[in-house]
Amino acid sequence: ETGVTQTPRHLVMGMTNKKSLKCEQHLGHNAMYWYKQSAKKPLELMFVYNFKEQTENNSVPSRFSPECPNSSHLFLHLHTLQPEDSALYLCASSQGELLGQPNTEAFFGQGTRLTVV
Amino acid sequence: GNSVTQMEGPVTLSEEAFLTINCTYTATGYPSLFWYVQYPGEGLQLLLKATKADDKGSNKGFEATYRKETTSFHLEKGSVQVSDSAVYFCALSDQRTGGFKTIFGAGTRLFVKA
Repeated sequence: ETGVTQTPRHLVMGMTNKKSLKCEQHLGHNAMYWYKQSAKKPLELMFVYNFKEQTENNSVPSRFSPECPNSSHLFLHLHTLQPEDSALYLCASSQGELLGQPNTEAFFGQGTRLTVV
Repeated sequence: GNSVTQMEGPVTLSEEAFLTINCTYTATGYPSLFWYVQYPGEGLQLLLKATKADDKGSNKGFEATYRKETTSFHLEKGSVQVSDSAVYFCALSDQRTGGFKTIFGAGTRLFVKA
């Protein structure tokens, strides 16, 4: 149990479907992240939220839409995806901005394995 | 900007062999450095960390020393086991220059044969 829970663990969706990935953390962290992990590619940071505010969007296509209703929950809404979007989507959290302190580590969920058909 | 470079894999070793996975970094500030491990079918887990120069992080027989003069954080283990087969990621986080996000290397896959 890592403290970060992602659901579902596996998802198969058609290109015209709409689905959402959910991430939940009960570690008291203030920063949450979405990463995409594709085969044979480096881990790609997609979105960063700090205290519920989006602070980074790394040129992610608009078919991916994040939502952070509170510091414990993070969603990734998916619509009209392409087959190349098939990947492992990882959620992570960390303590967030903590001035004067060494950066703390990120805690990861187990990921959602997404297949777009 | 900040970045992390680690050796390409896969690395294949026999059980009880010595492991080194090289990692170098570029940072304008004073980052914290991490090694994460990803076992098959799972997310990333923190393996060890070091927050300042000359610190040594260690866990489960793995060690890495924060070398500011060579901007390196190489991962070592004296005797690997089959259960160490996984993907290893070097990472850095520098709040002063990069915010609080973590930047990851590309990952190095390790296979350990019995």
